[in-house]
Amino acid sequence: GQNIDQPTEMTATEGAIVQINCTYQTSGFNGLFWYQQHAGEAPTFLSYNVLDGLEEKGRFSSFLSRSKGYSYLLLKELQMKDSASYLCAVRDYGGSQGNLIFGKGTKLSVKP
Amino acid sequence: DAGVIQSPRHEVTEMGQEVTLRCKPISGHNSLFWYRQTMMRGLELLIYFNNNVPIDDSGMPEDRFSAKMPNASFSTLKIQPSEPRDSAVYFCASSPGQGNQETQYFGPGTRLLVL
Repeated sequence: GQNIDQPTEMTATEGAIVQINCTYQTSGFNGLFWYQQHAGEAPTFLSYNVLDGLEEKGRFSSFLSRSKGYSYLLLKELQMKDSASYLCAVRDYGGSQGNLIFGKGTKLSVKP
Repeated sequence: DAGVIQSPRHEVTEMGQEVTLRCKPISGHNSLFWYRQTMMRGLELLIYFNNNVPIDDSGMPEDRFSAKMPNASFSTLKIQPSEPRDSAVYFCASSPGQGNQETQYFGPGTRLLVL
C-alpha cells in the first residue's frame, strides 16, 4: 500500500532551526516534494528531490534517502511567518503518471 | 499569469442538493488535478486529467462524484446528491505536463459545507 508519515505538530522558537521528517512506503518512486500551506490557503511548492542528498534553497533545505524511504525538510533562522503546515508528497508512477501522494502534513508553530 | 482559478470560493448547501465546483487551470498546462482536503484524511487526489482526458479517477469516492474537462481551460467537479460528509476544501491544481520535476500549482480552493 501507499503510506506517507510525518509528525502531526511541531513547535519551535523564532531564529532557531527545525527539522521536519517524512517517511514513505509507495509502490513506485519518481520524486519527493515538500509544500507549505498557511492556514486557509492553498499549498505552495517548496522543494523537489529525486536523487539522494541535500537540496538547499535559501533558508530551506530538503534531504532524501531513497534506500531508507526518508526525507526531511530543514528550516533555518525561523521566522514567525514560517508558521504553517508542511506537506510531504511522493510522485508514484505505479499505474498513474504524474500523481502525487500527500502526507497529512506537519503543523509548525513558531513562537517568539 | 492569474494562476489557477476556482469558483465558488465558498459554498453552503443542504444535503441532497447538487454542487458544481469550477476550475480554470493555468494557460498552457496539460495536467489538471482535483483534490479534497479534510482534517482527518489530509489532501486526497480525487481525479486527474492529462490533455483533457481522465487518467486516474480511482480517488473519486463514489458515483455521486463526477468530473469533466470539456476543454483545456475548464473543468468541473460535481457532487449529486451532496451529503454532510462531503464537507471539505476542494482544490484544483494544474501542472505543465508529465515531467518528473514539474510541480503542481494549486488554486485557492472551494470551501464546501453541506448541512
